Amino acid sequence: GQQVQQSPTSLVLQEGENAELQCNFSTSLNSMQWFYQRPGGSLVSVFYNPSGTKQSGRLTSTTVIKERRSSLHISSSQITDSGTYLCAMDYNQGKLIFGQGTKLSIKP
Amino acid sequence: EAAVTQSPRNKVAVTGGKVTLSCNQTNNHNNMYWYRQDTGHGLRLIHYSYGAGSTEKGDIPDGYKASRPSQENFSLILELATPSQTSVYFCASGAGQPHSGNTLYFGEGSRLIVV
Repeated sequence: GQQVQQSPTSLVLQEGENAELQCNFSTSLNSMQWFYQRPGGSLVSVFYNPSGTKQSGRLTSTTVIKERRSSLHISSSQITDSGTYLCAMDYNQGKLIFGQGTKLSIKP
Repeated sequence: EAAVTQSPRNKVAVTGGKVTLSCNQTNNHNNMYWYRQDTGHGLRLIHYSYGAGSTEKGDIPDGYKASRPSQENFSLILELATPSQTSVYFCASGAGQPHSGNTLYFGEGSRLIVV
């Protein structure tokens, strides 16, 4: 079946370092999204990025549909960036398949 | 800001009992979804709807029913709850059109424990 693989599973960085999160898809997709989730909290959309590169502040998302991959880059990480980042592929009319997530911990 | 509210936020149910999880959105979105999140499985789609009166099966619909009585409301129903349905359930809404993607807005989640 369709799968979404995220890497790394967890990432621990010092405040100020850059983070690179990866997402790979097993099949073709319509688009993909990145979500942020606090421990025990809801999901908030970070990027809706069907293709190409998008930037919002310190966050940059790049999706290459032909290569079935997407990345999320966080520059100059802050403690408040800590949480779980999930990527999800939209395979049919808004139905999403999620990756397992990358747990990001930023230490002071 | 899109608003999706779920109730109850926490629920303890007995095995064999009926559980109804409710979701309300004030975004006037056509699409609504129910997901469950479990350690080791991530989020998985249970049921979804493209508008009032319609419900569709997602990837793991067994043991669940859904109801969309209006544009704003989407319920997930567990007729005979089992311990394997212990999970955190998320409702989401989106404005997507057919053959295009859409940003999803999630509720805060409903934590269900079946004993």
